Amino acid sequence: GQQVMQIPQYQHVQEGEDFTTYCNSSTTLSNIQWYKQRPGGHPVFLIQLVKSGEVKKQKRLTFQFGEAKKNSSLHITATQTTDVGTYFCAPGTGFQKLVFGTGTRLLVSP
Amino acid sequence: DVKVTQSSRYLVKRTGEKVFLECVQDMDHENMFWYRQDPGLGLRLIYFSYDVKMKEKGDIPEGYSVSREKKERFSLILESASTNQTSMYLCASSHGGSNTGELFFGEGSRLTVL
Repeated sequence: GQQVMQIPQYQHVQEGEDFTTYCNSSTTLSNIQWYKQRPGGHPVFLIQLVKSGEVKKQKRLTFQFGEAKKNSSLHITATQTTDVGTYFCAPGTGFQKLVFGTGTRLLVSP
Repeated sequence: DVKVTQSSRYLVKRTGEKVFLECVQDMDHENMFWYRQDPGLGLRLIYFSYDVKMKEKGDIPEGYSVSREKKERFSLILESASTNQTSMYLCASSHGGSNTGELFFGEGSRLTVL
């Protein structure tokens, strides 16, 4: 099956620091989605990237899709305590099936 | 408000019991999915369905089966529950098409098998 590596597994930052999580695939992707799961909650869709080299922003969140469409990143500028949760990438294979990365758990201390 | 509803938030079953996890969506989505979530392993796809009566194996289908008799309902069945199936089970749905769109998740069903 498709190999998806997400790093780091866990990161603890002070409020105001930046945070980045990376998603790397062994195969070329048709698209990639990102989800956030708050503690005790269920995953919630953040964004979908489709084009090679695409960059999208949502307030303090910046999403990138690599030129080769094999990797992606999510960067949060000036983290806040509300950013706490686990961030998952979900590479799309183009065949309706959606496989998730192992996730990066973010903890933000005030 | 769009919704994916899972029938049980918490279940406790005994080894060998048959377990049904029900999921209903009200968005007229073609695709439905069952994942299990375990610490350190993320979400792993068990089965998915892209149409009524259609099903496809995910990455970890062993020990599970599914049923999709109606478009809005996707059931996960554990024929004979085992302790290693203790987990959080998440149902999701999405629009159809060649590329999977945004997934909408239910609240999850936490299953404990004793």
